[in-house]
Amino acid sequence: QKEVEQNSGPLSVPEGAIASLNCTYSDRGSQSFFWYRQYSGKSPELIMSIYSNGDKEDGRFTAQLNKASQYVSLLIRDSQPSDSATYLCAVTYNNAGNMLTFGGGTRLMVKP
Amino acid sequence: KAGVTQTPRYLIKTRGQQVTLSCSPISGHRSVSWYQQTPGQGLQFLFEYFSETQRNKGNFPGRFSGRQFSNSRSEMNVSTLELGDSALYLCASKDTDTQYFGPGTRLTVL
Repeated sequence: QKEVEQNSGPLSVPEGAIASLNCTYSDRGSQSFFWYRQYSGKSPELIMSIYSNGDKEDGRFTAQLNKASQYVSLLIRDSQPSDSATYLCAVTYNNAGNMLTFGGGTRLMVKP
Repeated sequence: KAGVTQTPRYLIKTRGQQVTLSCSPISGHRSVSWYQQTPGQGLQFLFEYFSETQRNKGNFPGRFSGRQFSNSRSEMNVSTLELGDSALYLCASKDTDTQYFGPGTRLTVL
């Protein structure tokens, strides 16, 4: 059973702080890793993708991947109230085509 | 480019009925995947189509089926609806490595 685990939250941070979102996955045959953001009542939108160990930065967002520890994280710098949403971690696995396996999501609340 | 479109956006059905949902992928994308999202189970993979062929299938009963047409548009069908089928059904189209989601169809089964 391939599983992706996230703390459901809510994670509450003040405006301007760094939000740290974490995700662990159970299968070492994992291939690609994605962070999606989902506002209430909306569909998921891609924030970041990461494929190899290390950090990947895009604006205020940094994804970190550690395959040995089976751990992927998303850092949001200078958090804004508009960042308040549910953040979904998703993984694709070898021999599973394009199937995304999602974690349950972490609800982030950024307070002004 | 226009995004992924899904129709209808909202649907209300009664138990035992069947329903067909439609998805038009982003122009040029040939892979279409379907997902079900519920509060209890989260986002779960239903199936994926590529060039009119089902490439992968999730752990859902045979009441859930789909197809893809030559223009890459896809439909999914749910027969003999159950209350537990109430969910947001999301379609995603894929380019080289990224899946882009449509707005979803909110299905309510009464």
